[in-house]
Amino acid sequence: GAGVSQSPSNKVTEKGKDVELRCDPISGHTALYWYRQSLGQGLEFLIYFQGNSAPDKSGLPSDRFSAERTGGSVSTLTIQRTQQEDSAVYLCASSLAAYNSPLHFGNGTRLTVT
Amino acid sequence: DQQVKQNSPSLSVQEGRISILNCDYTNSMFDYFLWYKKYPAEGPTFLISISSIKDKNEDGRFTVFLNKSAKHLSLHIVPSQPGDSAVYFCAAIIQGAQKLVFGQGTRLTINP
Repeated sequence: GAGVSQSPSNKVTEKGKDVELRCDPISGHTALYWYRQSLGQGLEFLIYFQGNSAPDKSGLPSDRFSAERTGGSVSTLTIQRTQQEDSAVYLCASSLAAYNSPLHFGNGTRLTVT
Repeated sequence: DQQVKQNSPSLSVQEGRISILNCDYTNSMFDYFLWYKKYPAEGPTFLISISSIKDKNEDGRFTVFLNKSAKHLSLHIVPSQPGDSAVYFCAAIIQGAQKLVFGQGTRLTINP
């Protein structure tokens, strides 16, 4: 079966522009996560969706970041007025509902803000 | 506040020898631990996990050890193979929290 799909794979944008990153999770996975990896850093949690529950947004670094998950499936991460420090690889992952179910990651979107 | 720490950014091991990757954590509430492996331009893939009720879990060439009193876990790969060259992340979670906390990663290079 298909894995987690992210698009675009690469995105170069000018400082101040808005960007949208898309994630298609594995079918049947009710949990969806966004992480980012900045250069030389570990994986930083951004946001978590589980079914119809309110998302855990505790990792979003500023109010310029938002995410939604439509119909319990596809998710979009939006960054408004991008800054150079937003440059990173943005990774989406999905899993079954159990807390000890491994996350299945997509290949990420490499965002470069110039 | 880095709750999960991998203090070695890189490790180089000769093919056929044992690779030992280390991870320390500070939150005693963590009760499940995982290791992920990441190749360039790909997302991390799950490798092996361990529950806090165990101190060892083995899967083929990979063994994870957990020392709760020291808040330390390690991943052993034996024998190491060139395809094991990748970045390895350890991660931890608290039951019910649903938020996996990752370390910074260790880049493992297996030399022929």
